[in-house]
Amino acid sequence: KNQVEQSPQSLIILEGKNCTLQCNYTVSPFSNLRWYKQDTGRGPVSLTIMTFSENTKSNGRYTATLDADTKQSSLHITASQLSDSASYICVVNYGGATNKLIFGTGTLLAVQP
Amino acid sequence: DVKVTQSSRYLVKRTGEKVFLECVQDMDHENMFWYRQDPGLGLRLIYFSYDVKMKEKGDIPEGYSVSREKKERFSLILESASTNQTSMYLCASRGRDSLNTEAFFGQGTRLTVV
Repeated sequence: KNQVEQSPQSLIILEGKNCTLQCNYTVSPFSNLRWYKQDTGRGPVSLTIMTFSENTKSNGRYTATLDADTKQSSLHITASQLSDSASYICVVNYGGATNKLIFGTGTLLAVQP
Repeated sequence: DVKVTQSSRYLVKRTGEKVFLECVQDMDHENMFWYRQDPGLGLRLIYFSYDVKMKEKGDIPEGYSVSREKKERFSLILESASTNQTSMYLCASRGRDSLNTEAFFGQGTRLTVV
């Protein structure tokens, strides 16, 4: 079954600290993986995309990694800010014939002062 | 700046009412989607459309229908609203090369059925 699992479900960190969010997937065939940030009451916004051949990609203080062999991805946030408080959703694009995105349930991050 | 706009941020409807959720995109995208988002369940696909007047059922189409009469507009219809349809509804659009293109989301409509 094509699934995307994220951990932890929720996380509280102090402002300025780093954190890492995890995503494991069983989607096959795999096309790409995106991390989205969803602020409370808003729609998700893409942070980064990882394709099969990419291991690491950075977008400012966000760094995503992908291990296609173990089917794992991580999102590392450096020097967290209060504005990083949001839900982070891992989304895998199914590489089969259907136009299908498979969503994880998200990690809810709270950054406290 | 790309835009997917949903007609309402918040809606409160009564059980049995017919409900229309509207979504408009300005990116000339072929693919449009309706999802619902519930705590602990993530986003679940209700319906999608890959062209005008074309529609495909997603994972949870029961109790919903859709309409796409123009390329930029995709409507979700709840024929007879029920309390278990209380949820956050998200519209999204993607370009034709959908495997590598980003899905852009609207701001969401929080629907409460009482």
